[in-house]
Amino acid sequence: EAGVAQSPRYKIIEKRQSVAFWCNPISGHATLYWYQQILGQGPKLLIQFQNNGVVDDSQLPKDRFSAERLKGVDSTLKIQPAKLEDSAVYLCASSSRTSGRYNEQFFGPGTRLTVL
Amino acid sequence: SQQGEEDPQALSIQEGENATMNCSYKTSINNLQWYRQNSGRGLVHLILIRSNEREKHSGRLRVTLDTSKKSSSLLITASRAADTASYFCATVNYGQNFVFGPGTRLSVLP
Repeated sequence: EAGVAQSPRYKIIEKRQSVAFWCNPISGHATLYWYQQILGQGPKLLIQFQNNGVVDDSQLPKDRFSAERLKGVDSTLKIQPAKLEDSAVYLCASSSRTSGRYNEQFFGPGTRLTVL
Repeated sequence: SQQGEEDPQALSIQEGENATMNCSYKTSINNLQWYRQNSGRGLVHLILIRSNEREKHSGRLRVTLDTSKKSSSLLITASRAADTASYFCATVNYGQNFVFGPGTRLSVLP
């Protein structure tokens, strides 16, 4: 099966600019996660969707970050305006409760964001 | 603060040796998982151990879980250069919330 797709792979922007990331999960996976991974640290959950509903967005900086999953399939994560400390890799993952490996998350390759 | 904390932060061993990484956590969990991340790539699931299990094996991997001490260990036996990566534990609570630790960077020298 195809894996989790993310684009772009790399993005360089100036601070105060806007940026958007896209994620297409594994077909049939109802749960989608966005993580922020700062260099040298573990991934930090930003938002979790179950189909097109938000399950957990407690660590999403809502003044500048937004995410949507309108049709319960692919998702976009937006930062507006970006700050220097947003430089990180943004990882998307998906999982499925209906598969035999429902607890396992499948990760995309990530988008490396550099804010100058 | 993050739920899982791996120890050591970095580990360097010779090929063929065993590598042991530890993970401690603070609250009740449904399961604990270990993931590997090669440089510049996404994470890959390695193994899952449920809260009612004490030990699991998968190939060269052995995971233990001690819920009384809120700790887990990952043992990689007969290490290879290809095992060089960062290893993360993730705790999963009953609400299916994943919390990753800061990771252990393993270097296996040929």
